[in-house]
Amino acid sequence: DAKTTQPPSMDCAEGRAANLPCNHSTISGNEYVYWYRQIHSQGPQYIIHGLKNNETNEMASLIITEDRKSSTLILPHATLRDTAVYYCIALPKNAGGTSYGKLTFGQGTILTVHP
Amino acid sequence: DVKVTQSSRYLVKRTGEKVFLECVQDMDHENMFWYRQDPGLGLRLIYFSYDVKMKEKGDIPEGYSVSREKKERFSLILESASTNQTSMYLCASSAPPYRGENTEAFFGQGTRLTVV
Repeated sequence: DAKTTQPPSMDCAEGRAANLPCNHSTISGNEYVYWYRQIHSQGPQYIIHGLKNNETNEMASLIITEDRKSSTLILPHATLRDTAVYYCIALPKNAGGTSYGKLTFGQGTILTVHP
Repeated sequence: DVKVTQSSRYLVKRTGEKVFLECVQDMDHENMFWYRQDPGLGLRLIYFSYDVKMKEKGDIPEGYSVSREKKERFSLILESASTNQTSMYLCASSAPPYRGENTEAFFGQGTRLTVV
């Protein structure tokens, strides 16, 4: 699985957009980019994933560069409850693969949303 | 509401005890995982299972074993608990890609195990 690199920490003002970058320069063609977050004392929570097109759901937007070497998770209007560790993970999604959805977590980005 | 349930939120065990951590999911998922999380080391995969009675070692299987007798239940076993196994343990489940549905993993709330 491709290695991902994220900044260790970021700050954001409440109500503003939080833009969390992720570098995955060695990503292969069949690897999706997944984002999870972990709020303190809870298990990780799925946010969004994508292959090459931008994606949006009720939680966030995912922007993937055309060369797929990096991506940005956007929380459009951050709230205090969005304070968490955010993980970017590259994961193969081929039906014949043996990854079985194993998630390899890096250190992630600690996002702190300030009032 | 989909759920992954871990049997205990907090657990204190003595060194040398055999410890069972239980995880149950109600989503009919084939894949189940056990992770441990330690400060500075992040989440590390211990074991995973892609079907009943099937298991694969993760990155740190030493000192652990697992059991998957039923699809919905995945147990982590510490054969002889040691103090260096004090940690937060997280269980997760997901559907495999061939089911054609979302493959995101769902996590339990975690079990904080202290071995004294």
